[in-house]
Amino acid sequence: GAVVSQHPSRVICKSGTSVKIECRSLDFQATTMFWYRQFPKKSLMLMATSNEGSKATYEQGVEKDKFLINHASLTLSTLTVTSAHPEDSSFYICSAQGQMGTEAFFGQGTRLTVV
Amino acid sequence: KQEVTQIPAALSVPEGENLVLNCSFTDSAIYNLQWFRQDPGKGLTSLLLIQSSQREQTSGRLNASLDKSSGRSTLYIAASQPGDSATYLCAVLFTSGTYKYIFGTGTRLKVLA
Repeated sequence: GAVVSQHPSRVICKSGTSVKIECRSLDFQATTMFWYRQFPKKSLMLMATSNEGSKATYEQGVEKDKFLINHASLTLSTLTVTSAHPEDSSFYICSAQGQMGTEAFFGQGTRLTVV
Repeated sequence: KQEVTQIPAALSVPEGENLVLNCSFTDSAIYNLQWFRQDPGKGLTSLLLIQSSQREQTSGRLNASLDKSSGRSTLYIAASQPGDSATYLCAVLFTSGTYKYIFGTGTRLKVLA
């Protein structure tokens, strides 16, 4: 299957700082990328959907000014957690998809810890 | 509202047993359904993808079926092994409404040696 690389895999940051997470599709062009958040022992909650060159569509309850998503190219999307707080600590996973309706491929996730 | 539910939430079985995990969804208008495996603290590993036009998919000891009309999918694991212990998630890509994968609640499987 196709490869989606997510970086970093783990990051620890101080409260008030910003953290950027990258999601790259290595061998295909990702028309759509999805960002998910997973709380301990819970399922994945969709945060936002981004299409290349367009503004991201955020799910209800997700602060777009806090979780900045950029999808500037067909192979790269970034999630920036701004002014991070301890409650932002979580596991974040990205997913990339080529054409609509095709298989989605997932990154290995980023464990964010805000201290 | 589009929802995906998985039953049971947790399952513990002895090694060698065949088992079935269930996934149900509220809207039959789907592109596809995927089954994933997640180990603790890790990302997702795709197991099987079933397109809306398909009835089942097989990979090794795994078999996934899809019944769109009843909004159900099952993942069958044959001859379970301790290495199968993980959380299994199904995700549905709905065609109506916002284009997005919605994940089920997951089934935590433990296979005892």
